[in-house]
Amino acid sequence: EIVLTQSPATLSLSPGERATLSCRASQSVSSYLAWYQQRPGQAPRLLIYDAFNRATGIPARFSGSGSGTDFTLTISSLEPEDFAVYYCQQRSNWPITFGQGTRLEIK
Amino acid sequence: EVQLVESGGGLVQPGRSLRLSCAASGFTFNDYAMHWVRQAPGKGLEWVSGISWNSGNIGYADSVKGRFTISRDNAKNSLYLQMNSLRAEDTALYYCAKAGLSGEFDPWGQGTLVTVSS
Repeated sequence: EIVLTQSPATLSLSPGERATLSCRASQSVSSYLAWYQQRPGQAPRLLIYDAFNRATGIPARFSGSGSGTDFTLTISSLEPEDFAVYYCQQRSNWPITFGQGTRLEIK
Repeated sequence: EVQLVESGGGLVQPGRSLRLSCAASGFTFNDYAMHWVRQAPGKGLEWVSGISWNSGNIGYADSVKGRFTISRDNAKNSLYLQMNSLRAEDTALYYCAKAGLSGEFDPWGQGTLVTVSS
């Protein structure tokens, strides 16, 4: 099973700041890495798939990068609605696995 | 608009069974793989099971293998999860999700809550 480790566990920033979230895989997942956002009381929402492709309707301030074992989700300038929990997910090998999540909170 | 609506959750005693359903609409159901993902209260996401468009490829998390069975009925645009020998640790909100052409999960339903307790 591929283990995904996200860091930091919690990130405290202010609106307008830049957020950088990390996801590291225990073995290569090529580019088969996705990012999801989950707001309180809501289902997860796809942000990025295949490491860097933005999903339909996702604002350009969200970007993904990386390949192999190290990936990054960047939010260029935080909006109030961006404060949520973010998960990475790999589909390179089954079982499909998720990272433990990064909580992005308002400073 | 793509919609996924889960149902079938509830309170069940340990050792008993439950069957979840996911009704799909707004897309050609039999063209896409589907998945179940769960989230225990206050915890992260855990993939449970996935099934290809024609049921030819099925997978399970180790935590549910041998107890849960995923299936689909393409004529009814429906996905199912038969859960047997339920344990307290199976307590979670269960989501169904459509797999996109690249395998990404999009969208997700709103979930159905399963509580396993005596």
